[in-house]
Order: sequence, then C-alpha cells, then structure tokens
Amino acid sequence: SQKIEQNSEALNIQEGKTATLTCNYTNYSPAYLQWYRQDPGRGPVFLLLIRENEKEKRKERLKVTFDTTLKQSLFHITASQPADSATYLCALGGGYSSASKIIFGSGTRLSIRP
Amino acid sequence: GAGVSQSPSNKVTEKGKDVELRCDPISGHTALYWYRQSLGQGLEFLIYFQGNSAPDKSGLPSDRFSAERTGGSVSTLTIQRTQQEDSAVYLCASSTGLAGLSYEQYFGPGTRLTVT
Repeated sequence: SQKIEQNSEALNIQEGKTATLTCNYTNYSPAYLQWYRQDPGRGPVFLLLIRENEKEKRKERLKVTFDTTLKQSLFHITASQPADSATYLCALGGGYSSASKIIFGSGTRLSIRP
Repeated sequence: GAGVSQSPSNKVTEKGKDVELRCDPISGHTALYWYRQSLGQGLEFLIYFQGNSAPDKSGLPSDRFSAERTGGSVSTLTIQRTQQEDSAVYLCASSTGLAGLSYEQYFGPGTRLTVT
C-alpha cells in the first residue's frame, strides 16, 4: 500500500535560518504533490503544488523540490520567522482513479525560536 | 465568499449513540472530502465525493461510518454506535474538482468529536 513519511515529527530551528522538511513516499506514482500548513485548532491551508514533471517551485520564501526518482520532496522556508511555526503536511495526488483525491502525510511540527 | 463550514464545532456523545456531522462546501465546488485527525496525528482519508460519480468510500474504517452528499452540495457524515476510538477531529474539505488546476483543498474548521 502507499506510504508517505515526513522526516520527523518536530523540527526546531533558529529564526533567520532555512528550515528544510522532507516528504518521502513509496508504492505510489503521484501526478502532483502539495504542501499544506496547519495551525493548532484549524484546518490545513494550501501552500504550494508541484507536478511530476517539475523539479522546483517557488513562492515568496517557500521553495519545493520534487524528485520522482528518489520519491522525495523537500520543502524549504528561507529566512524563517517565529510566525512560520506550524505543522506542515505533504500530500500526494493524481495516482488514483480520480485526479483530485490526495493522501496526506502525518506532518512535521516546525518551531522557529527567536 | 464564504469558506467551508462545519457543524457542530464540538460534539460530546456517549458511547453507543449515533452522531451526524455536517459540512457545507464552497459553492460550486464539485469535490468534497472527509478526513479524520486524531490528536497529534496526520489526516486520515475517509471518503471522497466528485460530482455525480459514486463516492470513494475506501477510507471508511468500518460499516458504522457512512456519508451522504445531497444535491451535490451539503454532506453529512454519520457515525453509528460510536466508540471511544472514534474521538477525533473530523475535517471536511472541498475543491473545484477541475483537472489542470492546483487541486487545492479548502478545509473547514473541523468538528471535534468526543465519545465518553
């Protein structure tokens, strides 16, 4: 069955540094991969999508890479700020009968200390 | 416009009772999803509706769980004979369902279900 792993349950880094989160998957060939942010007590919020034929996608301080050979995506936040502290979820989609169905990883809780 | 809404926001029920959770998706969104999230865990897929197609029920954990989507809009998730392990936050999301776009899912605030 499909399996999605996010590198660690929690990541603590110093403000101003680059945070790098990892998403690995097995037994799956997604057409796209998404990253979401979730704050406590709230539903996830969409951040970025990257398709299988794209290597890298950027949005402001965010950068996502997608390596379909390694079956891995890296999510970077540059110049991190305490406001970036949240749980980040990766999600894979398009490998099912319906392009819209996605499967989520368990998330990485990121804490940025001042 | 209005986002995805869910009701109730909190539900406490006794073991063995039935509960109904409601989701109002964004108007015009053809795709609707239900997920379950236990404390500190990721999202567990439950069921997916896309337009008039038969729903994908592959994530429902048991036959005590069922969901309907009436008129292609509002959805109700029903849990019969609730058990303590059903305690979780139930999240609903909707998306345009249109291929070629971002497949972005818009989430509601969730319903926190506690089974005592």
